[in-house]
Amino acid sequence: DQQVKQNSPSLSVQEGRISILNCDYTNSMFDYFLWYKKYPAEGPTFLISISSIKDKNEDGRFTVFLNKSAKHLSLHIVPSQPGDSAVYFCAASSGNAGNMLTFGGGTRLMVKP
Amino acid sequence: GAGVSQSPRYKVAKRGQDVALRCDPISGHVSLFWYQQALGQGPEFLTYFQNEAQLDKSGLPSDRFFAERPEGSVSTLKIQRTQQEDSAVYLCASSLDWTVYGYTFGSGTRLTVV
Repeated sequence: DQQVKQNSPSLSVQEGRISILNCDYTNSMFDYFLWYKKYPAEGPTFLISISSIKDKNEDGRFTVFLNKSAKHLSLHIVPSQPGDSAVYFCAASSGNAGNMLTFGGGTRLMVKP
Repeated sequence: GAGVSQSPRYKVAKRGQDVALRCDPISGHVSLFWYQQALGQGPEFLTYFQNEAQLDKSGLPSDRFFAERPEGSVSTLKIQRTQQEDSAVYLCASSLDWTVYGYTFGSGTRLTVV
């Protein structure tokens, strides 16, 4: 039973446009969410996080939105750049589970020049 | 070093062979994690250390998997009697305050069991 799901395995966007990556979760105990970016043959790189007490967090071109009632979060990248092409993972944690992160299956983003 | 270092980068093991995967975390990072990533999937939690104490090993898939961090720095993940289903990328991560900085992952060890 997947507790964190990324239903779009891939997404293609034109350079300069907005990229929206989506993530759904089922465990209502999750209270902290993170997004990671992964290039081939490298480990995931932390991008941005959000606590469940917030509904939005912004860092430069990256914004994460959290909708607790819908158990849904999204990552917006504006404007998208070719260097953003990578696999993006969302991850979630609950205080009860300590420091363990539960990851989604990833979405491959391709930004076309 | 500046990042999390894992060795070897690639390991091919014959079925039934024992393997040991090494992780050098960022100096000063108290927390250390091991994750397993199968092809086309997200990382899955294996185990977590705080200093030398293994606080959570609920993700280890069988008793063939064993992890240690005896001095609170370098960690080793050992897999005994490897099976084909053990083929995956094994990721190590360390953290100072993961709620602020997230984990810092190493590049992983790709294990192929033949």
